[in-house]
Amino acid sequence: SQQGEEDPQALSIQEGENATMNCSYKTSINNLQWYRQNSGRGLVHLILIRSNEREKHSGRLRVTLDTSKKSSSLLITASRAADTASYFCATRSYGQNFVFGPGTRLSVLP
Amino acid sequence: SAVISQKPSRDICQRGTSLTIQCQVDSQVTMMFWYRQQPGQSLTLIATANQGSEATYESGFVIDKFPISRPNLTFSTLTVSNMSPEDSSIYLCSVDGDRGTDTQYFGPGTRLTVL
Repeated sequence: SQQGEEDPQALSIQEGENATMNCSYKTSINNLQWYRQNSGRGLVHLILIRSNEREKHSGRLRVTLDTSKKSSSLLITASRAADTASYFCATRSYGQNFVFGPGTRLSVLP
Repeated sequence: SAVISQKPSRDICQRGTSLTIQCQVDSQVTMMFWYRQQPGQSLTLIATANQGSEATYESGFVIDKFPISRPNLTFSTLTVSNMSPEDSSIYLCSVDGDRGTDTQYFGPGTRLTVL
């Protein structure tokens, strides 16, 4: 199976700092996505990057993808207390279902 | 985007009983997905439910334990049968996003605690 894995498992930063989370996976993918989950609730889609893309931006989010290393990173710039949540990467191959990584718990301290 | 609701939002149940979770979508969708999220863990796909056919279960999940109904294109239920404390989890349903977006929309989840 292609299990996405993330590090760090937990990250605690001060408001205003940048937060970087990493995700690794094992097999070829069609795309990689990042989701946010607030306090055990439903997941919210943040950003998708396709296998032929290397970098993508959306507001304060920046995602990179290195298919040769089978890894991705999510950067949140100028973090806010409201960014406190768990962040999951999810990979999808052609014709396959999503596989979610273990997640990173981000705490942004005021 | 799709708006998904789940009922109940949370429940506390006794060992050996069953709970049926409902998932309602505000638009017609072909496939609906059911996930389990054990405490502090990531999401694991339980099964995929297509309207008019039997659900497709992932390895480690069986129909007797997690029967699923999909009576129409906007609704599905997941039953957690003969519950044990190990079934304590958040159960989430999801649907595929708009054609071509390759994303998923998730319901708010059902937090189940089994005593």
